[in-house]
Amino acid sequence: GESVGLHLPTLSVQEGDNSIINCAYSNSASDYFIWYKQESGKGPQFIIDIRSNMDKRQGQRVTVLLNKTVKHLSLQIAATQPGDSAVYFCAEIFSSYGKLTFGQGTILTVHP
Amino acid sequence: SQTIHQWPATLVQPVGSPLSLECTVEGTSNPNLYWYRQAAGRGLQLLFYSVGIGQISSEVPQNLSASRPQDRQFILSSKKLLLSDSGFYLCAWSVGDLTEAFFGQGTRLTVV
Repeated sequence: GESVGLHLPTLSVQEGDNSIINCAYSNSASDYFIWYKQESGKGPQFIIDIRSNMDKRQGQRVTVLLNKTVKHLSLQIAATQPGDSAVYFCAEIFSSYGKLTFGQGTILTVHP
Repeated sequence: SQTIHQWPATLVQPVGSPLSLECTVEGTSNPNLYWYRQAAGRGLQLLFYSVGIGQISSEVPQNLSASRPQDRQFILSSKKLLLSDSGFYLCAWSVGDLTEAFFGQGTRLTVV
């Protein structure tokens, strides 16, 4: 979308704090959402996903929340560690088209 | 297990020269294939999407083209590179409609 050309917002936290990264998605008909983590110079890596018929899904230290009313997705990271420092992207798929499109992304920096 | 290979890892090309980036997937059949571009410090822009051999969807009008000569091979090309083609190019694959995509390690292209 239009956001791909913008500078990424940043979030700085202290080690051990909880982090919340937010994302506004574009298509109210999207069926499936994914959070990716991208470290410098590497391709994005899958963190967690959620389908549109769910509001919340938990993984190991991560939780994804989906609010379809306002087209908002969030990623919560518990007890953030320096190794969590990376860029985090949300992505969505609308099943009728099948394409994976990315949101803007957030740079997370964790200070020891 | 499935793997994705993308090469080269880095590339420096003069303006006006041609481009060919190759991506191959192993360990799966009939994958969905993607090409993304990422400018420094920016988000991921979907360039091309393919659901099968010879089936290419172009997302953004540009100086690039894509081809899928084989089921698990996806090629990104340009006849004449522009300075604005510089960026980090990522290939990805997925299987099915609502599943995560897996990314290659990317190609850092610098057009000089």
